[in-house]
Amino acid sequence: DADVTQTPRNRITKTGKRIMLECSQTKGHDRMYWYRQDPGLGLRLIYYSFDVKDINKGEISDGYSVSRQAQAKFSLSLESAIPNQTALYFCATSALAGGDEQFFGPGTRLTVL
Amino acid sequence: GQSLEQPSEVTAVEGAIVQINCTYQTSGFYGLSWYQQHDGGAPTFLSYNALDGLEETGRFSSFLSRSDSYGYLLLQELQMKDSASYFCAVKGDDKIIFGKGTRLHILP
Repeated sequence: DADVTQTPRNRITKTGKRIMLECSQTKGHDRMYWYRQDPGLGLRLIYYSFDVKDINKGEISDGYSVSRQAQAKFSLSLESAIPNQTALYFCATSALAGGDEQFFGPGTRLTVL
Repeated sequence: GQSLEQPSEVTAVEGAIVQINCTYQTSGFYGLSWYQQHDGGAPTFLSYNALDGLEETGRFSSFLSRSDSYGYLLLQELQMKDSASYFCAVKGDDKIIFGKGTRLHILP
């Protein structure tokens, strides 16, 4: 079984719709992250959380919000989706100590029409 | 500001050695990581350097020079399965910043 799971894996939606992407992990890690990936732009950090009561903005948080429902769950919401939010979205986790190795989920491909 | 620079593409021959460079400018620095991503897949962790020097893990090695704000990933005995994108990432202050990635093409 995968340690970091994301749902849905693919989603097509229309401009103005509210979308939620979900991430769950069984690694027992405190730290969780949401990234988006666009061709040629690498991975850009949207939000991150170091524990259930901690939420922080990343590089590109505008237009997004998050919820850390439990240590194992971290959701990303697009309140009103727009076409330039079409991208591949990854959730990742890491442990508190050590080299901060991040474990990524399989990704969610989101298309906003 | 914070930035990481790495070549967008590198081409090498199967069985050869290739080096992918990364230079960075960040506020605060704790370490340099490397990730591999195959087409359609998720990034996977390769290595982490917090101190100057070379770290070796099998065919892959990673180097860091903190004074030069520079690191590289060295891949030896290249195999076709090494065709992928490689990202450097810097841990600065309280979060990690990723480079834009280097696409490695391997010729038979």
